[in-house]
Amino acid sequence: GNSVTQMEGPVTLSEEAFLTINCTYTATGYPSLFWYVQYPGEGLQLLLKATKADDKGSNKGFEATYRKETTSFHLEKGSVQVSDSAVYFCALSDYNQGGKLIFGQGTELSVKP
Amino acid sequence: GAGVSQSPSNKVTEKGKDVELRCDPISGHTALYWYRQSLGQGLEFLIYFQGNSAPDKSGLPSDRFSAERTGGSVSTLTIQRTQQEDSAVYLCASSLALRTGQKLFFGSGTQLSVL
Repeated sequence: GNSVTQMEGPVTLSEEAFLTINCTYTATGYPSLFWYVQYPGEGLQLLLKATKADDKGSNKGFEATYRKETTSFHLEKGSVQVSDSAVYFCALSDYNQGGKLIFGQGTELSVKP
Repeated sequence: GAGVSQSPSNKVTEKGKDVELRCDPISGHTALYWYRQSLGQGLEFLIYFQGNSAPDKSGLPSDRFSAERTGGSVSTLTIQRTQQEDSAVYLCASSLALRTGQKLFFGSGTQLSVL
């Protein structure tokens, strides 16, 4: 079945450091890929998405490129801020499974000043 | 409403009791989803609805779990004879339609604690 694997956390970085959170997926069809973020005390919200191979999703300085050849959707940001501290979830939805989101385990990011 | 609303926000219950969790989706959203978030377990899919019907119930952990949706709007997740392993945050989400690529809007969740 479909699944998402992301790097384990917690990840601790200093402010202005470069961020990469790895995400790989397994899917039988042609899924759409997402990054959702959960800030402390808040609900899950969409950060960015990509719906086909080679698409790049971007938002708030974060980027991720849909790589079909490596089945990956790694999240990157060039310079993190303290306010980026949150839990990040990689997810996919596949037409073959009715469009429901399958999530990875989540990666906690802590950014220190 | 402005967003997905879930109630109660916190529920403490005794083992063996039944609980009902409620979700009010965004008005006009035809698809509704239930997830469970446990420490160390990530986000676990439970069930989704298209309108009032549930095409995929594969994620429900046991027959103690059931869900319904009425009027294409409010949904209730019921857990019968609760067990300690049911303790988790139960999240509801809705989207405009049930298709891949849709953005899901999540509620703040119900924190369930089974003593």
